[in-house]
Amino acid sequence: QVQLVQSGAEVKKPGASVKVSCKASGYIFTSYYIHWVRQAPGQGLEWVGMINPSTGSTTYAQKFQGRVAMTRDTSTSTVYMELSSLRSEDTAVHYCARDEGYSYGLGDYWGQGTLVTVSS
Amino acid sequence: EIVLTQSPGTLSLSPGERATLSCRAGQSVSSRYLAWYQQKSGQAPRLLIYGASSRATGIPDRFSGSGSGTDFTLTISRLEPEDFAVYYCQQYGSSPGTFGQGTKLEIK
Repeated sequence: QVQLVQSGAEVKKPGASVKVSCKASGYIFTSYYIHWVRQAPGQGLEWVGMINPSTGSTTYAQKFQGRVAMTRDTSTSTVYMELSSLRSEDTAVHYCARDEGYSYGLGDYWGQGTLVTVSS
Repeated sequence: EIVLTQSPGTLSLSPGERATLSCRAGQSVSSRYLAWYQQKSGQAPRLLIYGASSRATGIPDRFSGSGSGTDFTLTISRLEPEDFAVYYCQQYGSSPGTFGQGTKLEIK
């Protein structure tokens, strides 16, 4: 069955960086895009960007340009999202989600989420 | 970016009743790239509807989506106890993809 399993919760200080992983199984890793979507505590959903695991090409929301980097490791079917220059507003649950085609955020299967807390 | 406004903010209904949730876009959503998700507390969103009206795999037929352009609707024909949750609409045709603020469906 399709599964996206994310890394565990992180606590970081302002200005630091965090790298979250998303390991895929149960399908052909390179055939589906992966999106990252985040949700601040008690708030709505926000699209961060996407990666094509086949080519490594990425598309980021303008808001995160210069601060986010998405990469993949095809040998382990894992996608990574690194967010730098963290600030308190980055405190959120970060989800990865699978997409059959090229879009700006449609996800048919989602990871369980990774809470990133930014606090001094 | 395309702003999505959902209404009502909270909907109080009883099991067995019909629920109608609205999503209005600030500009036309291209090619009906409109989706609906259900989210329960502490869980990831679950895709219900994509392409404005196509049900995702495994979604019961009591869930249906309609609309085009700037006005979209999610209808739940007969509410089951497990349907009480928060529902989000999303447009995924233009960058950045955006979500509505959510409608909380609560038991009356």
